[in-house]
Amino acid sequence: KNEVEQSPQNLTAQEGEFITINCSYSVGISALHWLQQHPGGGIVSLFMLSSGKKKHGRLIATINIQEKHSSLHITASHPRDSAVYICAADGGATNKLIFGTGTLLAVQP
Amino acid sequence: GAVVSQHPSRVICKSGTSVKIECRSLDFQATTMFWYRQFPKQSLMLMATSNEGSKATYEQGVEKDKFLINHASLTLSTLTVTSAHPEDSSFYICSARVSTYGYTFGSGTRLTVV
Repeated sequence: KNEVEQSPQNLTAQEGEFITINCSYSVGISALHWLQQHPGGGIVSLFMLSSGKKKHGRLIATINIQEKHSSLHITASHPRDSAVYICAADGGATNKLIFGTGTLLAVQP
Repeated sequence: GAVVSQHPSRVICKSGTSVKIECRSLDFQATTMFWYRQFPKQSLMLMATSNEGSKATYEQGVEKDKFLINHASLTLSTLTVTSAHPEDSSFYICSARVSTYGYTFGSGTRLTVV
């Protein structure tokens, strides 16, 4: 079993739909990261969470430390949101990220 | 802020030659740089962690003599793939930790060895 699990692996949505991607982890963390990888390969850091909820534009990320679970929500999805979304557990002391397998999102117009 | 510039973005080289990939932190000092490798449709795999002025720490199974990492200054870390073979063809990406919001990533280098 992977230390960081994501679901779903693949997600196809229609433009405008509300999207949720889930991440569960089994390791101790100092923070949980959500990353976006575009088809060309570049990676953008979306959120770093240690508790609660963060919002940036149409993106919302939440984390429940007790349940070791985080979600990434996209409201009013758009084709430009199509990318791979990756959650990563930050062990803090080890300075290493443990990556989930990613969720490939395709938003169709 | 906190940008890591990675070059080249794409490189094709002949089998047996060496390729150098550079990552520069443009507006901050990166004391630590992480080097990852990614195969198609797979997640990032940490290869090594480089620290300015000291030897890199390699992950288990990564050949130190094949993947040479140098972190000579606070703004530059390099990965050299020596005697490249087709199985080294992959996507390589660097990352630095930024205290304020986590990590910043280079744009990646797609290496093709022919």
